[in-house]
This record gives sequence, structure tokens and C-alpha cells, in this order.
Amino acid sequence: DTAVSQTPKYLVTQMGNDKSIKCEQNLGHDTMYWYKQDSKKFLKIMFSYNNKELIINETVPNRFSPKSPDKAHLNLHINSLELGDSAVYFCASSLGQAQQETQYFGPGTRLLVL
Amino acid sequence: AQKVTQAQTEISVVEKEDVTLDCVYETRDTTYYLFWYKQPPSGELVFLIRRNSFDEQNEISGRYSWNFQKSTSSFNFTITASQVVDSAVYFCALSEAIYGQNFVFGPGTRLSVLP
Repeated sequence: DTAVSQTPKYLVTQMGNDKSIKCEQNLGHDTMYWYKQDSKKFLKIMFSYNNKELIINETVPNRFSPKSPDKAHLNLHINSLELGDSAVYFCASSLGQAQQETQYFGPGTRLLVL
Repeated sequence: AQKVTQAQTEISVVEKEDVTLDCVYETRDTTYYLFWYKQPPSGELVFLIRRNSFDEQNEISGRYSWNFQKSTSSFNFTITASQVVDSAVYFCALSEAIYGQNFVFGPGTRLSVLP
């Protein structure tokens, strides 16, 4: 059973397109996250949602819009894709938003913008 | 200032050698949590350990051990008798703030274990 799943695993698209990445967790967790991992492997949080409400919104272009239809899903929509958006995007979840909660990560979505 | 420093960008060892990955953190909170994650070549992020700031006991799990020292703000990770399957990028992370959890990851250390 996959705990945190993401689709698609790979995404190759042209500059200027709009794309979405889906994330689902079956752990019963209340909090979900999106991270971006750049080509140097640096991981940075983008968004955090707790029970469908936005908790953290780091400095991310407003072309990126997360949507949480329910607490088991957190999708990431990206408008007007740019070359610099090429990265691996990880979804994660934790039981709650408290600092001690371990985050469990999905397998990642490798986005390549041409 | 970087909150989590992993000064070793890349390490190469030969199988069966012991290797220690360093992690130094910076926080003004008295309560915080430290984590280690492994990212193998397949790309997923695998949780290894969580340690709270009040528990300075060293932890051992099989060939893995962790040394937490508040006096030096370090949370180092040692792999004993390394194996090729240990080859991965290892991330140390810090979680501070009481609410609105915000993980800060270190830059990672790429470990290559050669046969």
C-alpha cells in the first residue's frame, strides 16, 4: 500500500504550458506539504496545508497554486511554466502540524520544462 | 544564516568502512526536533530517525547510529560496515516553531560506497 503517492512521476512539457501534479495520502494525516528539490538536491518547502487550510506559503511565484479538496489530497497547479520550474517536486504528509511530527514523502514528480 | 549545515558535500568510502556524516544546526528555540532522511538513487525520501532536543541519548539501529550533542549543536550520523546499498544522499533536517511546522533541510551529503 502506497502511503503518499504522486502523479505523474515524470512530466515533460513546453514553456508557457499549465500543468498539475496530484498528491494523495492514505495515512489519515491532517497536514500535507509541497517541496521543490532543485538540480543541486536542495530541498525547500513551498506550501503546507492543515485540514485543507493553508498554513505555510513560502516565497513562491503566484503561478504556483496548491489546492486541497480534502485532507487526503493536495494538488499543485502551475501556470505559465518557465524553464526554472524544472525540478523534482515532492509531496509529504504528517499526522499534525506540530513540530515533532515526522513528514513522510511521496516518490517525487520530475518536471522538465523545455 | 543557514540553519542546517552539512559540510561534507560528497564522501566516498570502500565497502565495510565506517563513515560519519556531519550535521550542525542553528536555532534559538529550546524545543526543536532533528531528523535524518535518506534519498537513494531511485529518488524517494526515506525517513530514518527523529530526535527531540531534550533527548541527548545516542541511538543505534542496526548499522546506523546517531550522536546528538547539544553543546556543539550537532547531530551526526554514523554508518558502520558500510554497504553499496548505503549509497545515497543523506539529509539532516531541523524542525522548530511550535505551530506551523517548518522543516529546514540541510544541503545533503552524497555518500558513495564502492565495492
